[in-house]
Formats: sequence, structure tokens, C-alpha cells
Amino acid sequence: AQTVTQSQPEMSVQEAETVTLSCTYDTSESDYYLFWYKQPPSRQMILVIRQEAYKQQNATENRFSVNFQKAAKSFSLKISDSQLGDAAMYFCAYRSAGGSQGNLIFGKGTKLSVKP
Amino acid sequence: DAGVTQSPTHLIKTRGQQVTLRCSPKSGHDTVSWYQQALGQGPQFIFQYYEEEERQRGNFPDRFSGHQFPNYSSELNVNALLLGDSALYLCASSFGTDYGYTFGSGTRLTVV
Repeated sequence: AQTVTQSQPEMSVQEAETVTLSCTYDTSESDYYLFWYKQPPSRQMILVIRQEAYKQQNATENRFSVNFQKAAKSFSLKISDSQLGDAAMYFCAYRSAGGSQGNLIFGKGTKLSVKP
Repeated sequence: DAGVTQSPTHLIKTRGQQVTLRCSPKSGHDTVSWYQQALGQGPQFIFQYYEEEERQRGNFPDRFSGHQFPNYSSELNVNALLLGDSALYLCASSFGTDYGYTFGSGTRLTVV
């Protein structure tokens, strides 16, 4: 069974600085998707960025980028120029690419605080 | 374009009772998944519905059941509620096997 581990329960960053959130996963599959979701106090899960395992190039979305290390099964999220609105819970998630395996497997999350 | 709508937003039930939670998917989406998020934890997959049938199920007891209607909306039913069922229940919709999930804001269920 696949597992997702986020080893940082809480992180803090100064506004305008850069922070990296860590995520490791375990799988025997070769094709899969990885995601970072943001969950603010409004509770809605918002997709931040996604990565297809077959793509070697790291995904980037504006201030958000990932460092995808397939061999090491590592998928970290870098937030540049942190803003107050980035404060939230961040969840790393895995999804198999094959067949009807449509469920997301989440880590326990990292609470990010942004200091003004 | 409406996103995923869940109702109610909050609910308090007594142990042993039954509860029904509702989800309307994003326009154009035909697949609905349900997740349980306990306090301080990541969401856990309950089940997924497609074409009115349960396509996939997570490790949850039979007390958890669901339904999908012809208009793609869905219900999650939980029977014989336990204190441990207290959680945020999230609904996510997608189009077919596309991995672009859209989540709702969830229903906060408290069992007393």
C-alpha cells in the first residue's frame, strides 16, 4: 500500500522569504501523480501544484515550485516570496495513475505560519 | 461556474443516530469522492461514485454507505454513529478519471 509522510507538523516563515515543505512517499508503482493541497481555515482543499511521475521536469506555478526526486521518493514544495495569505495547512497527496485507482492518499499535513 | 457544494456545513448528532450528508459536484463533473478528515489528520478516502455506482472504496465499515443520483449529486450516509465518527467530511468531484479534483468546504460532524 502507498503511504505519504510529512515530517514537519509545523513550519514558520517570514513574509517575503522562502520556505520548503517536505514530503516523502512510498510506492512500488512507476506511474502516479503527486499533489500539494492548501487548506485554509475555510476548510476547502485548494490544489496548489501537481506533478506527473513520468515528467522529469519539476512543476512550477507562479511562486510555488516542487523538487521531485523520483528515485528518492521525495516531493518537496518551495514557496517563494511568502505572503500572509499563504498561511494554511499544506497536504501532500499521492494518486495512482492506473485503472480506476482514483483515490488520493494524503499525508498528515504541515501547518505553515507566515510572520509579518 | 458553481464549485462543489456541500450541506449542511455543521451538524451535531447523538451516538447511535444516523446522518446523511449531501454533495453537489462542480458543473461538468460526473465523479464524486468522499473523504473523512479527523482533527489534526489528513483526509482519508471513504469511497468514490461514478455512473451511480460505487467504483472504489477505502477501509471504512459498512456503516458508511453512499448514493449517486442521475444528476451526479451524491449522499453519504453513516449509521449507528460513534463518537469516533466526529470529523470533517469532504466531498471532491472530478470528470471521469481526470485527476483534477475540486473539493467542497466540507461538513463538520460532531457526535455527542
